[in-house]
Amino acid sequence: DIQMTQSPSSLSASVGDRVTITCRASQSISRYLNWYQQKPGKAPKLLIYAASSLQSGVPSRFSGSGSGTDFTLTISSLEPEDFASYYCQQSDSTPRTFGQGTKLEIK
Amino acid sequence: QVQLVESGGGLVKPGGSLRLSCAASGFIFGDYYMSWIRQVPGKGLEWVSYISSTGSTIYYADSVKGRFTISRDNAKNSLYLQMNSLRAEDTAVYYCARDGQAASDYFYMDVWGKGTTVTVAS
Repeated sequence: DIQMTQSPSSLSASVGDRVTITCRASQSISRYLNWYQQKPGKAPKLLIYAASSLQSGVPSRFSGSGSGTDFTLTISSLEPEDFASYYCQQSDSTPRTFGQGTKLEIK
Repeated sequence: QVQLVESGGGLVKPGGSLRLSCAASGFIFGDYYMSWIRQVPGKGLEWVSYISSTGSTIYYADSVKGRFTISRDNAKNSLYLQMNSLRAEDTAVYYCARDGQAASDYFYMDVWGKGTTVTVAS
């Protein structure tokens, strides 16, 4: 199974900050990497697919990059509604594993 | 609008069974792969199973293999998860999600239901 490791596990930041979350795969997954945002009590929401493609309706302050084993999700300027948990997920092979999540909190 | 609605969750004793349903609307259900994902409250996401658009291809996480069965009825726009031999560690919120098309280069879960809660306890 492909293991997905996110860092950091939690992060404190302020509105307006630039934030980067990293996801590392235990083996190459090309660009088969998706990012999701989840707010408490809600279902996850797709942000980025295929490593860097922005899902329709997602603000352009979100961006993704990477290929192979190392990927990043960047939020260029944090808005109040961005404080949530973020998960990466690989779709290169089954089982379709998720990272353990990154909780983004207000400083 | 595009929507997925799960149902069938509840409280069940260890060793018991439960069948979850996911009703799809607003898109051509039969064109899409579908997945079940679960989340223990306060914990991360765990992919459980997926089924291809025709039902010919199915995969399970090792944690549920042999106990859970995914199926679909394209005529009814519905996805199912039959859960047998339930354990306390199966307690979670279960989400269904739309998971790409057969002709896609990339698979991603772009539509999610709100989830249904399964509690396994005596």
